[in-house]
Amino acid sequence: AQSVTQLGSHVSVSEGALVLLRCNYSSSVPPYLFWYVQYPNQGLQLLLKYTTGATLVKGINGFEAEFKKSETSFHLTKPSAHMSDAAEYFCAVSEVEGFQKLVFGTGTRLLVSP
Amino acid sequence: DSGVTQTPKHLITATGQRVTLRCSPRSGDLSVYWYQQSLDQGLQFLIQYYNGEERAKGNILERFSAQQFPDLHSELNLSSLELGDSALYFCASSATEGRTEAFFGQGTRLTVV
Repeated sequence: AQSVTQLGSHVSVSEGALVLLRCNYSSSVPPYLFWYVQYPNQGLQLLLKYTTGATLVKGINGFEAEFKKSETSFHLTKPSAHMSDAAEYFCAVSEVEGFQKLVFGTGTRLLVSP
Repeated sequence: DSGVTQTPKHLITATGQRVTLRCSPRSGDLSVYWYQQSLDQGLQFLIQYYNGEERAKGNILERFSAQQFPDLHSELNLSSLELGDSALYFCASSATEGRTEAFFGQGTRLTVV
């Protein structure tokens, strides 16, 4: 069965600093990978997804993630953090091409200080 | 605003009771997904319906059931509630059976006392 591990339940950065949120996955078949963001009192919003093709995926709000099969990783990065990026971020994996039966990680709360 | 509407936003009920959570998908979306977010289990997929038919099942307890009606809204029924059922229940919808983006509602926070 597939699973996702997000290292670090909390990550703190200063405004303008690099954001790096780590995600490692386990899947018996080629995975489909997703990053979602959850703002306080909101539902989840899709940031980006990897299905097939280019391993560097660009998403909304300046975020991107790189699929590295050899490392079974799909880390999320943003070159320069903004205060509005403070939220909880979830990595998810699916063994089917699509949004069915997503398996989520435990989430990483990003804190951005001025 | 994702376009997915969940009611009620908050629900407090006692153990042993039964509740119904309602989800209105985005206009035109045929798939509805239910997820549970709890401190213990994190975010877990419960069940998916597509155009009125069950399509996929996750870690949904036997005390829980769902259905999707002809107008495409969906209801999640939770019965014989236990303290551990306290969680945020999300509904999401997508246009197709699963290959298009799923948009999430703001959730229903259920507290069982």
